[in-house]
Amino acid sequence: NAGVMQNPRHLVRRRGQEARLRCSPMKGHSHVYWYRQLPEEGLKFMVYLQKENIIDESGMPKERFSAEFPKEGPSILRIQQVVRGDSAAYFCASSRSGSPTDEQFFGPGTRLTVL
Amino acid sequence: AQSVTQPDIHITVSEGASLELRCNYSYGATPYLFWYVQSPGQGLQLLLKYFSGDTLVQGIKGFEAEFKRSQSSFNLRKPSVHWSDAAEYFCAVGAGNGANNLFFGTGTRLTVIP
Repeated sequence: NAGVMQNPRHLVRRRGQEARLRCSPMKGHSHVYWYRQLPEEGLKFMVYLQKENIIDESGMPKERFSAEFPKEGPSILRIQQVVRGDSAAYFCASSRSGSPTDEQFFGPGTRLTVL
Repeated sequence: AQSVTQPDIHITVSEGASLELRCNYSYGATPYLFWYVQSPGQGLQLLLKYFSGDTLVQGIKGFEAEFKRSQSSFNLRKPSVHWSDAAEYFCAVGAGNGANNLFFGTGTRLTVIP
């Protein structure tokens, strides 16, 4: 059973460009979470999605960031007009159910560098 | 609001020595608590979790943690550290109120010397 897949693993963008980060959850998991890890910091929750629904986006910046989890295909975290402060590692996690006691399995992350 | 404090940014121990990583949380009710390990360039792996019941929790790789409500702590321990344990360790608390996102501490980097 493959784990959570994220691609690309490394992404370099220039200021003003768009970044698209993809996350394929584990097989059988329909709940996806995105977290951001700034250098020397812990992970910060961004958004929680189920198939075709955003459940909780309380951690998402109000502008330039969006997320989706379509019926078919991976979850996408999209950052428009990137700035240097967006440079971070972005981790996706998935779980089988939405229960708070259900383990979240993490992907290897996408490391975004904004030049 | 929920929060997690890991007071030790970096800890160095000798291989074979015992280890204790500290974690303090802030939460109004009984928390859901987790310890994760992150190796360089990798994602997070769950070591153990506490929801209720026995306050001493056993995890993978020989780790254990003890929930102490009176001290709002959930410290991670291992009796004998191996060189392969060198990594970053994160304590996390569940958001609660039906939400299932996690609040993470800033992490403790563990270095193991021969």
